[in-house]
Amino acid sequence: GQQVMQIPQYQHVQEGEDFTTYCNSSTTLSNIQWYKQRPGGHPVFLIQLVKSGEVKKQKRLTFQFGEAKKNSSLHITATQTTDVGTYFCAGGSSASKIIFGSGTRLSIRP
Amino acid sequence: NAGVTQTPKFRVLKTGQSMTLLCAQDMNHEYMYWYRQDPGMGLRLIHYSVGEGTTAKGEVPDGYNVSRLKKQNFLLGLESAAPSQTSVYFCASNQGRTEAFFGQGTRLTVV
Repeated sequence: GQQVMQIPQYQHVQEGEDFTTYCNSSTTLSNIQWYKQRPGGHPVFLIQLVKSGEVKKQKRLTFQFGEAKKNSSLHITATQTTDVGTYFCAGGSSASKIIFGSGTRLSIRP
Repeated sequence: NAGVTQTPKFRVLKTGQSMTLLCAQDMNHEYMYWYRQDPGMGLRLIHYSVGEGTTAKGEVPDGYNVSRLKKQNFLLGLESAAPSQTSVYFCASNQGRTEAFFGQGTRLTVV
């Protein structure tokens, strides 16, 4: 079945450093979504990418969708303490179910 | 707007007991999902529904049953709870391949 792998599992950075998480699917995706979950909270939608090679930015966050539509990345420039949480990618398949990656937990040293 | 509402928020069960988790959404979404979240395991899809009266198995369906008798409600049942089902359960809904909205979660402990 469809699998979505995400690395790294954990990332601990100094405030101000950059952060990147990577997402890889075993199958071609129709779209990729990114979510953020704060500690003790529920996942909240950040963005969706649909087109091959697509790049989108939200302030300090940059999202990319691979040319083959099987991988994606989220890059945060100059992390802040408000960025703490777990970031999930979620792949959409032709069957319309959403399969989540295992997530990357980001912690930050002030 | 309430969005997606899950009840209960917390529950402790004894091994072998049964229970039903209720998910209700007021956004007229066709698709609804149940996930479980364990430490370090991310969100794993249990069952999902693409419309009223339909259900389908996800990645980890064993030990769970679901029903979607009304479009706005998606029920998750545990017939005979086991300690391995201790987890945080999230319900989500969306309209096809769009942004998914999540409930606040149900923290279930099976002792």
